[in-house]
Formats: sequence, C-alpha cells, structure tokens
Amino acid sequence: EVQLLESGGNLVQPGESLRLSCTASGFTFSNYAMTWVRQAPGKGLEWVSAISGSDGGTYYADSVQGRFTISRDTSKNTLFLQMNSLRAEDTAVYYCVKCHSVTFWGGAFDIWGQGTMVTVSS
Amino acid sequence: EVVLTQSPGTLSLSPGERAALSCRASQNFGSSNLAWYQQKPGQVPRLLIYGVSSRATGIPDRFSGSGSGTDFTLTISRLEPEDFAVYYCQQYGRSPPNFGGGTKVEIK
Repeated sequence: EVQLLESGGNLVQPGESLRLSCTASGFTFSNYAMTWVRQAPGKGLEWVSAISGSDGGTYYADSVQGRFTISRDTSKNTLFLQMNSLRAEDTAVYYCVKCHSVTFWGGAFDIWGQGTMVTVSS
Repeated sequence: EVVLTQSPGTLSLSPGERAALSCRASQNFGSSNLAWYQQKPGQVPRLLIYGVSSRATGIPDRFSGSGSGTDFTLTISRLEPEDFAVYYCQQYGRSPPNFGGGTKVEIK
C-alpha cells in the first residue's frame, strides 16, 4: 500500500524556522516527483514546492521562494521541507503529495499524506 | 500565471441528481494537464480525474471529466450521499500548478 506520513508541524513564532518530513512507503520513491501542497484553515489548496524524481530539480511558489527549501533523501525514502522566516500567512496544513510521473510537469497529484499542521503566531 | 475559475461556488442538489462543475482557465496551459480532486470535510484531498478525462484508480464511473482548451467540466452522473464534498480543479502544465477555488456540492 502506498503511504505518505508527514511529521514536524508545530506552533512557532513569526521569523522562526521549521522542518517538515515525509516518509514514503509502498512505491519506488526515486521514480516519482514529490510535492508539498498547503491548505490554510477554511481555505483552498495552494501548491508550495516540488522536486523532480528524475534529476532532483526543485520548484517553488513565489510566496515561499527564498524562504523554503525542498529536498529528499532517497536512501531513506524521505521528503523534507525546510521553512525559514515563517510568517503568519504560512499557517496551514501541509500535505506531502506524490506526483503521477517522474518529472514534475505533466503529472497530477495522485497520493496525499494526512497532513501536518503548521501554526505561525506570536 | 494560469488562473482557474470554478463555478458555481456552491451547487445544491439531491441524491440521484446529475452534477456539472465548471473550471475555466485564464489561458491555455497544455490542454491535457487538467485534474480534479475531491475533498470531504476533515479529510485529505483525493485525485478523481487526471489528463482531463482519465479516472484515477478506484474512482467510480459516475465521475467523468471533459473539456479542452480553457473550458473543462467534471460531471457526476448520479449523486451518491458520499459525493457531497468540495471539488477542486488543477492545471499542472504551467508554473505554478494552480488549483481553482473549489465548488462545494451540498445536499439540497
């Protein structure tokens, strides 16, 4: 069974950092692009960042460019999201999501983790 | 940036009725790169349709997707009680891979 399990969400103050992790199982991790999608309370879905399965190329939404860094450890089937300089508007549930293809472009988001809550507040 | 506009915002229907949800893009984005997701309250989004019209694994055939260019539709042929949820369209052909604002299908 394909599974994604996120961890690392927490309550932090504005300007602080947080690192999210996502452990994958049930599929060959390096064969697929992976992405993070967030959902603020009561709001819609917002794509955050992605990493290609083929060459490790990374992609970011403008809203997090320069503050967030996506990475992966294929030996541990784990995806990461390092979040620096957090703002109140980053408050959301963060979903780890598997893409339908090895490259990021051209693949829908087919498997979603349960999500981890990040709250940025003083 | 491709902006996806979903309509209506809320659709009030009875079980057994047919639902048609619209997703309109502000520009072309590679016409086959369109997906639909379902999200029930308190649950994780689930992929329903990818490539405009291909059903994801385990999705019943009462769900169908159609469209081309900038106009797309998700049709639920006969609403089941478990289908009342929020539906999002998404394009994944151009950066950033945006989602629409969602259509809530509620019980009338």
